Amino acid sequence: DADVTQTPRNRITKTGKRIMLECSQTKGHDRMYWYRQDPGLGLRLIYYSFDVKDINKGEISDGYSVSRQAQAKFSLSLESAIPNQTALYFCATSASAPHEQFFGPGTRLTVL
Amino acid sequence: EDKVVQSPLSLVVHEGDTVTLNCSYEVTNFRSLLWYKQEKKAPTFLFMLTSSGIEKKSGRLSSILDKKELFSILNITATQTGDSAVYLCAAKALIQGAQKLVFGQGTRLTINP
Repeated sequence: DADVTQTPRNRITKTGKRIMLECSQTKGHDRMYWYRQDPGLGLRLIYYSFDVKDINKGEISDGYSVSRQAQAKFSLSLESAIPNQTALYFCATSASAPHEQFFGPGTRLTVL
Repeated sequence: EDKVVQSPLSLVVHEGDTVTLNCSYEVTNFRSLLWYKQEKKAPTFLFMLTSSGIEKKSGRLSSILDKKELFSILNITATQTGDSAVYLCAAKALIQGAQKLVFGQGTRLTINP
């Protein structure tokens, strides 16, 4: 069984729609992260959370919001999707130490 | 601005060759450097390097960090077609009071039989 799961795995939507990507983990980790990956740009951090009451912006948070519903769940929302948010989105988790991150399988989002 | 740069961006070699992938970094309050292998989708963890000059080894893969010159290398010996993947390096840094990973663009490695 996968330790970090993401739903949906693929999503096609239209400009202006609200989209939610969900992440669940069974690793018991406190820390969770959302990244997006674009060709030639590597992984970029969108938001991260070090515990249920802690939410922090990453380097590219504009246009996104998150919710940490429980230790095991961290959701990413696009309030009004736009085409340049087309990307591969990864959720990751880590313990407080030694900080190694474990990634989910990714969600491929296409905004038309 | 914090950045991590990998080179080459793309590399094609024959099975059995040895390859060296490079990662240079400039980050504030550097803590450690991590290497990941990404095949189809999710990156999988390879190494975390915290100290200079201490080689980490796992089978045919090895990596070392130079904190003076701000770079790391990942070596793969006797390459196999299963080594074909994108290899990502990431610098763990203390940014705005929190530890974050700054990723490089990745090196796409293709091993031809």
